[in-house]
Amino acid sequence: GDSVTQMEGPVTLSEEAFLTINCTYTATGYPSLFWYVQYPGEGLQLLLKATKADDKGSNKGFEATYRKETTSFHLEKGSVQVSDSAVYFCALGGNEKLTFGTGTRLTIIP
Amino acid sequence: GAGVSQSPRYKVAKRGQDVALRCDPISGHVSLFWYQQALGQGPEFLTYFQNEAQLDKSGLPSDRFFAERPEGSVSTLKIQRTQQEDSAVYLCASSLGGREGFQPQHFGDGTRLSIL
Repeated sequence: GDSVTQMEGPVTLSEEAFLTINCTYTATGYPSLFWYVQYPGEGLQLLLKATKADDKGSNKGFEATYRKETTSFHLEKGSVQVSDSAVYFCALGGNEKLTFGTGTRLTIIP
Repeated sequence: GAGVSQSPRYKVAKRGQDVALRCDPISGHVSLFWYQQALGQGPEFLTYFQNEAQLDKSGLPSDRFFAERPEGSVSTLKIQRTQQEDSAVYLCASSLGGREGFQPQHFGDGTRLSIL
């Protein structure tokens, strides 16, 4: 079945550092890929998405590219801020449901 | 704006009691989903509705779990004879559905269920 493997955390970075959170997937067919973010005390929010190979999703300075050849969808940001501290989930959409990774807790220190 | 609304936010029940969790999807959203999120884990799929039809309930962990959406809008997830392992956050999501391609799902804040 479908599965998502996500970089384990927690990850702690200094403000303005470069961020990468790795995500790889296993799926049948041609899934859509998503990153969701959960800020402290809040619900899951859609951060970005990509629906086909080589698509790049972007939002709030974050980017991720759908790489079919490496079955990956790594999340990147060039310069993180304290306000980016949250839990990040990679997810695969197929057969009308989402399959999530285990989440990566990111803490940005000033 | 009116997002997905879940109630209650927190529920504490004694083992063996029945509980009911409510979800109000975004107005006009055809598809509705329930997920279970254990502590420190990602959400796991429970069940899916398109309008009032329950099209997939493959993720329901036992026959103690039951979901309904009788008028194609509000949904209720019911857990009978609760067990300690049912303690988790229960998330509801909705999407436009009925269109080509996978539609993004929009999540509520969840109900945190604790079974004593």
